Amino acid sequence: GESVGLHLPTLSVQEGDNSIINCAYSNSASDYFIWYKQESGKGPQFIIDIRSNMDKRQGQRVTVLLNKTVKHLSLQIAATQPGDSAVYFCAELGGIDYKLSFGAGTTVTVRA
Amino acid sequence: DAGVIQSPRHEVTEMGQEVTLRCKPISGHNSLFWYRQTMMRGLELLIYFNNNVPIDDSGMPEDRFSAKMPNASFSTLKIQPSEPRDSAVYFCATTLRTGPLRWGYTFGSGTRLTVV
Repeated sequence: GESVGLHLPTLSVQEGDNSIINCAYSNSASDYFIWYKQESGKGPQFIIDIRSNMDKRQGQRVTVLLNKTVKHLSLQIAATQPGDSAVYFCAELGGIDYKLSFGAGTTVTVRA
Repeated sequence: DAGVIQSPRHEVTEMGQEVTLRCKPISGHNSLFWYRQTMMRGLELLIYFNNNVPIDDSGMPEDRFSAKMPNASFSTLKIQPSEPRDSAVYFCATTLRTGPLRWGYTFGSGTRLTVV
């Protein structure tokens, strides 16, 4: 089965509010966890990653939190904008060959 | 940088026909991956290459699927014969592997394949 998965398939958020997208994983040996954004008709686009020895990493308007105790990953988007509407995937990178494995994806819809 | 370039963007073909998908990686990237995306199965890794050499093709669904990377600038994914269940979006992704690997991959815009 999949080693990376998402709790909720869809998320609707009011423009300007903060968004939180969750992800559960099962492979403790992964070295990196990565969030991707996929807009309609496009390929997945790298947002932010976090190394397995970290708990938190911040980017521009985004924060990724890693809780290794419960094998949980989350992506927080501050002040969500219409352009944030997309499908968000968590992915893990690891193993001998460093293959990237994706979860199922969460569709985020931003309401004006 | 033009990014990862895939062609064609859309392909509609009849069952039984041969389909060839193409990918041009980012210059300097030495690892290339082919993914397939469907609603039912999400993003699945089909095969990947390091320095033009196929490393793991365990994700290739059947012998009808084959992939090549004749040089560092070009890769193909071929389906022969194609079947309706092959309908999906096929992505090519590339990255640079040097020492300790990090970063995710850079994806192309994908090829939407419809087999009728």
